Amino acid sequence: DAGVIQSPRHEVTEMGQEVTLRCKPISGHDYLFWYRQTMMRGLELLIYFNNNVPIDDSGMPEDRFSAKMPNASFSTLKIQPSEPRDSAVYFCATTGEFSNEQFFGPGTRLTVL
Amino acid sequence: GQNIDQPTEMTATEGAIVQINCTYQTSGFNGLFWYQQHAGEAPTFLSYNVLDGLEEKGRFSSFLSRSKGYSYLLLKELQMKDSASYLCAVRGTRSGNTPLVFGKGTRLSVIA
Repeated sequence: DAGVIQSPRHEVTEMGQEVTLRCKPISGHDYLFWYRQTMMRGLELLIYFNNNVPIDDSGMPEDRFSAKMPNASFSTLKIQPSEPRDSAVYFCATTGEFSNEQFFGPGTRLTVL
Repeated sequence: GQNIDQPTEMTATEGAIVQINCTYQTSGFNGLFWYQQHAGEAPTFLSYNVLDGLEEKGRFSSFLSRSKGYSYLLLKELQMKDSASYLCAVRGTRSGNTPLVFGKGTRLSVIA
């Protein structure tokens, strides 16, 4: 398996633009987590899905952020409109029901100018 | 809520032993995890403790005391490649495989 795949790896955009981050989980993993990492706040959970259903989105900063998981092979995290304070590394991680190990994707480094 | 504390930075010498401490306060507990993260890379799983005691895995060991809300990661025979951030994380008690709450990490520098 190729592991968790995220795209793009780097994104530079201007304030006000829409940003879409993508994640392909490891096949068979039924939990998917979106995290954001900054120097100030560390690694924080934004939202997670179980069997494609959003379970907890209390970490989503505000209405500008939305996430979807239309099928078991794909998830998106969208920011619209983007702001400079959204600049961070966004990680997708997946795991199985009875696993204690979360597998992280390589992350998307987002810079909003 | 949950709060996880760990030192921001540590420095140790190649070949030595280093202990990275983590204390936590949580409304529930269902496991303590350690992850390693090299600069510019994703976190990778190191260890998991849910019962009190020491778990050993090669050069790395992790200890848990649930009554004290305390864990440590012990790294033996340090190598230069061990220079990385080490993240302590706690899982709550919700059913199913719930998310982790991470500390801000301890940046370890191994020097010659």
